[in-house]
Amino acid sequence: DQQVKQNSPSLSVQEGRISILNCDYTNSMFDYFLWYKKYPAEGPTFLISISSIKDKNEDGRFTVFLNKSAKHLSLHIVPSQPGDSAVYFCAASGGGYQKVTFGTGTKLQVIP
Amino acid sequence: KAGVTQTPRYLIKTRGQQVTLSCSPISGHRSVSWYQQTPGQGLQFLFEYFSETQRNKGNFPGRFSGRQFSNSRSEMNVSTLELGDSALYLCASSTSGTYNEQFFGPGTRLTVL
Repeated sequence: DQQVKQNSPSLSVQEGRISILNCDYTNSMFDYFLWYKKYPAEGPTFLISISSIKDKNEDGRFTVFLNKSAKHLSLHIVPSQPGDSAVYFCAASGGGYQKVTFGTGTKLQVIP
Repeated sequence: KAGVTQTPRYLIKTRGQQVTLSCSPISGHRSVSWYQQTPGQGLQFLFEYFSETQRNKGNFPGRFSGRQFSNSRSEMNVSTLELGDSALYLCASSTSGTYNEQFFGPGTRLTVL
C-alpha cells in the first residue's frame, strides 16, 4: 500500500522555467511533509519541509504547497536551473511516530 | 562537521549468508534511521533508533535487525540473505527524529548472488 505517491516518474523543464513536482498521500495521520533531492551515487539531501498547520512554505527558489483537503502537496522550483536535475522524493511523517514514508521519486531534468 | 558515513560502500554476498552494515551519524545526532532503496520502490523505511532504543520499525521480515550503540553509531544486520535483498541501504541521522531534517549517508550497495 503506497501511502505517498509521486505519479510522475520523470519531468523535463527548460532552464529558467518553473518546475512543479507533485505528491499525493492517503494517510490522514500525516502531519509533516518533506522534500529531498538525490543525485546519483549520493544520499538524499533535505530541501524543504512543511507542517500541516501551514499551506505554504518558501525557501529561496523552492516553495512547497500543501492542500490538506485534497491530500496533495507540490514543490515549485522557480527559476529552474540545470543543477536542479536530480530525483526528488516526497516524504511524510505523522501520528507522532518516528517513521518516514517516502514516495517513489520524480526524476527532474532541466534542459539548458 | 563530518557527514554521515556508511561502511562498507559496496558488498557482494551469496544467498543464505548474513551481512552487517555500519553507520556513523553526524556528531551530536542521536537519531539514526535506516532505509532500503530499490528501483521502482523508492525509499522503504526499515527502523529508527534513538539513544539505543528502537522507536519504530517498518514492514520488513525479522531477518532485518539493527542496533544502536551508546555513541549513536548504528549497525544493521540482514540474516539468510535472499536475492530480493539486493538494494542500496541508506542510513540517515538527525538531532531528534524523523520530524526533523535528516542527513543521509552515501549508502551501502548490497548485491546478493
